[in-house]
Amino acid sequence: DIQMTQSPSSLSASVGDRVTITCRASQRISNYVAWFQQKPGKAPKSLIYAASSLQSGVPSKFSGSGSGTDFSLTISSLQPEDFATYYCQQYNSYPRTFGQGTKVEI
Amino acid sequence: QVQLRESGPGLVKPSGTLSLTCAVSGDSISSSNWWSWVRQPPGKGLEWIGEIYQSGTTNYNPSLKSRVTMSVDKSKNQFSLNLSSVTAADTAVYYCVRDAGYRSSIDYWGQGTLVTVSS
Repeated sequence: DIQMTQSPSSLSASVGDRVTITCRASQRISNYVAWFQQKPGKAPKSLIYAASSLQSGVPSKFSGSGSGTDFSLTISSLQPEDFATYYCQQYNSYPRTFGQGTKVEI
Repeated sequence: QVQLRESGPGLVKPSGTLSLTCAVSGDSISSSNWWSWVRQPPGKGLEWIGEIYQSGTTNYNPSLKSRVTMSVDKSKNQFSLNLSSVTAADTAVYYCVRDAGYRSSIDYWGQGTLVTVSS
């Protein structure tokens, strides 16, 4: 299985901050990475696919980059509604695997 | 707007079978998408269980493969998950999702349903 390792596991930030979360794959996965946002008690929401493409309706303050084994999710200006847990996922091969999550706290 | 809704028992006895159904609206189960299940134990991360295509083709997580069966019902526009021989470790929120594959990965999620394994 491909391991997806996110860092950091948690971070504290302020409204207006630029935040970057990284995800490293245990082997090369081209650009087959997706990112999801999950708020407490809610289902995850799809943000990004193919490493850098925004899902429909996702604001442009979210951006993704990377290829091969190293990927990142950036939130350009953190807003109160962005405080959540973020997960990366690889869909290059089976089984699909997720990172362990990064909790973004105030 | 695509919507997915899970349904099924919220409590299953150990060694029993967990059975969930996902009703799809706003899209056809026969479209060019995969229909998947993802679970999340309380306070933990996400785990991919497996997926099924309209043709019945499946891909399962090897860690669960011996216990998992998925199926589609085109007449009801829904798909299902059966997980046998459950233990407390299978207690989780179960999500059904639409996966567009390499086109755009997972794009829609159900609201999730908590299944507790307990006697």
